[in-house]
Amino acid sequence: EVHLVESGGGLEQPGGSLRLSCAASGFTFTNYAMTWVRQAPGRGLEWVSTISASGQSTYYADSVKGRFSISRDNSKLSLQMNSLRAEDTALYYCAREPSNSTWYSDYWGQGTLVTVSS
Amino acid sequence: QSVLTQPPSVSAAPGQKVSISCSGSSSNIANNYVSWYQQLPGTAPKLLIYDNNERPSEIPDRFSGSKSGTSATLGITGLQTGDEADYYCGAWDSSLSAYVFGPGTKVTVL
Repeated sequence: EVHLVESGGGLEQPGGSLRLSCAASGFTFTNYAMTWVRQAPGRGLEWVSTISASGQSTYYADSVKGRFSISRDNSKLSLQMNSLRAEDTALYYCAREPSNSTWYSDYWGQGTLVTVSS
Repeated sequence: QSVLTQPPSVSAAPGQKVSISCSGSSSNIANNYVSWYQQLPGTAPKLLIYDNNERPSEIPDRFSGSKSGTSATLGITGLQTGDEADYYCGAWDSSLSAYVFGPGTKVTVL
């Protein structure tokens, strides 16, 4: 059974940094691209970043480009978040991308909450 | 402002059908595949439809997807109280080089 478990969220001040992790199990991690999606309180879904199965290709939303960095290692997905802003406050989900040719996420974790506030 | 447009809410009685539209442009829906997600209150999103009209094996055939030009539609038949949720469409946008979600549609079962 596919399991994705996010961790690393918490309260951070504006301008600070956090590193999110997503532990994956139940599938061959190295065969799948992975994605981070966030959801601000009471708001809709916002795609954040995707990394290819090999890790060689990465994609970012304009809102986080230059501040966030996605990476992967073994069965763990990470999101390094720097220069945090209040508008980064959200529940961050990691998700699996099952297709090499189309974009969609078939399994999602339960999310980790990031709060950026002084 | 979302690149994709969805109605804020739709409602119908149990057993009835609802359709949720997702309107975009040539840079997203018209030339890329659309997916749909269901988010029950307090839970993570769940994939309902991928590649415009394909359902994961565990999703009942009450849920269907279609696409025409720059618009896509999610249909739900035999509406159940357990279908009360937020529904999001999504697609890759080739101009933005980004994946975009619609703002979401809240389905209410009357």
